[in-house]
Amino acid sequence: AQKITQTQPGMFVQEKEAVTLDCTYDTSDQSYGLFWYKQPSSGEMIFLIYQGSYDEQNATEGRYSLNFQKARKSANLVISASQLGDSAMYFCAMREPSGAGSYQLTFGKGTKLSVIP
Amino acid sequence: GAGVSQSPRYKVAKRGQDVALRCDPISGHVSLFWYQQALGQGPEFLTYFQNEAQLDKSGLPSDRFFAERPEGSVSTLKIQRTQQEDSAVYLCASSPRTRQGSSGSRRRETQYFGPGTRLLVL
Repeated sequence: AQKITQTQPGMFVQEKEAVTLDCTYDTSDQSYGLFWYKQPSSGEMIFLIYQGSYDEQNATEGRYSLNFQKARKSANLVISASQLGDSAMYFCAMREPSGAGSYQLTFGKGTKLSVIP
Repeated sequence: GAGVSQSPRYKVAKRGQDVALRCDPISGHVSLFWYQQALGQGPEFLTYFQNEAQLDKSGLPSDRFFAERPEGSVSTLKIQRTQQEDSAVYLCASSPRTRQGSSGSRRRETQYFGPGTRLLVL
């Protein structure tokens, strides 16, 4: 079963506008972490923002904020004031304990964001 | 400060050839992960090290894949007798966090990725 679902394969946003990228997750654990990463065409995965399952406030990092709705199991990324350099793939990921004892990340399929001048 | 580095950045191999991919994690990071990213997909977990101990190799797709981290810093992912389906980007990530106990802090939880090695098997 898909643990991380990103339903938007591609999104367009006008420069300087805000955009929301959707992410829903599935877990039965109480302790977990949610991440968003940006992957430009060059290929590196750039960490954007983290939300712990016990965090009561939504995480914010500069122009990025995470809209965490625990009951709905959603963790949407909001990018304010989009810039041309924001054009990239965006991946939502979840960290949860595994049976083998590690805590690897499980990624969604990604959303390709294109910022239009 | 230096981030995670990987080498080579690109590798072309003939089917059946052995390859070795190197990862230099961030200094002092205890945990090291390898992921495989197929074209158009998100990364998928391969294996995890805490210091020199390989604690989880459940994601390795076959016994042709082998990883080591003998001194608890640099790691090597080796693929023997490469096949065309091994063509992918191989990403290494490191994190300060250890396996035991819960954390919750952004600094300890975050995995920092290297630029990846793009492997093409012909």
